[in-house]
Amino acid sequence: AQSVAQPEDQVNVAEGNPLTVKCTYSVSGNPYLFWYVQYPNRGLQFLLKYITGDNLVKGSYGFEAEFNKSQTSFHLKKPSALVSDSALYFCAVRDVMDSNYQLIWGAGTKLIIKP
Amino acid sequence: DTGVSQDPRHKITKRGQNVTFRCDPISEHNRLYWYRQTLGQGPEFLTYFQNEAQLEKSRLLSDRFSAERPKGSFSTLEIQRTEQGDSAMYLCASSWTSGSGGTDEQYFGPGTRLTVT
Repeated sequence: AQSVAQPEDQVNVAEGNPLTVKCTYSVSGNPYLFWYVQYPNRGLQFLLKYITGDNLVKGSYGFEAEFNKSQTSFHLKKPSALVSDSALYFCAVRDVMDSNYQLIWGAGTKLIIKP
Repeated sequence: DTGVSQDPRHKITKRGQNVTFRCDPISEHNRLYWYRQTLGQGPEFLTYFQNEAQLEKSRLLSDRFSAERPKGSFSTLEIQRTEQGDSAMYLCASSWTSGSGGTDEQYFGPGTRLTVT
């Protein structure tokens, strides 16, 4: 069965420090992987995706994520956190062979950046 | 076109009433998805359309839930005989998927928050 795990409910980082939000996945075939961010009272916003190719993917707002096939992980990173990065972050996966294009979502990680 | 829109943003209803939500996707997108999101959880897939065809509806939570996309543009999600457990955020998303497959980058609306009293 397909699944996504975000092992941390909350991550606290000081402004200016690097941040990492963890995500591991399980699919039967090859994965397409996504990160979305959700600000309070707003919809989910697409950050970045891994489809194929370079394992390091760059996305919006200075975020990047590294695909690691052997560890089935897709951790979200940013070299220097901003207070405005505080939000809820969701990792999602789709099996490449799933004709329904159904995304499987993690439960989310709350990122808190302290000044 | 500024993105996916949903109406209403908030809906308070009494248990047993019917409610209908509307979603207007990004105009050039051919796929439209409905999700439910409860507090502290990721989105839960409900159903999706490709153009006007509803290709997956087995995940609709019960037969009280139904969705339509009559002309392949906007979509409606109806919940009949609402229950308190239906209280949640209902999200709509759209994407462009070509016939040869796609990476299905979904764009979300702001959601409709339903409260059943």
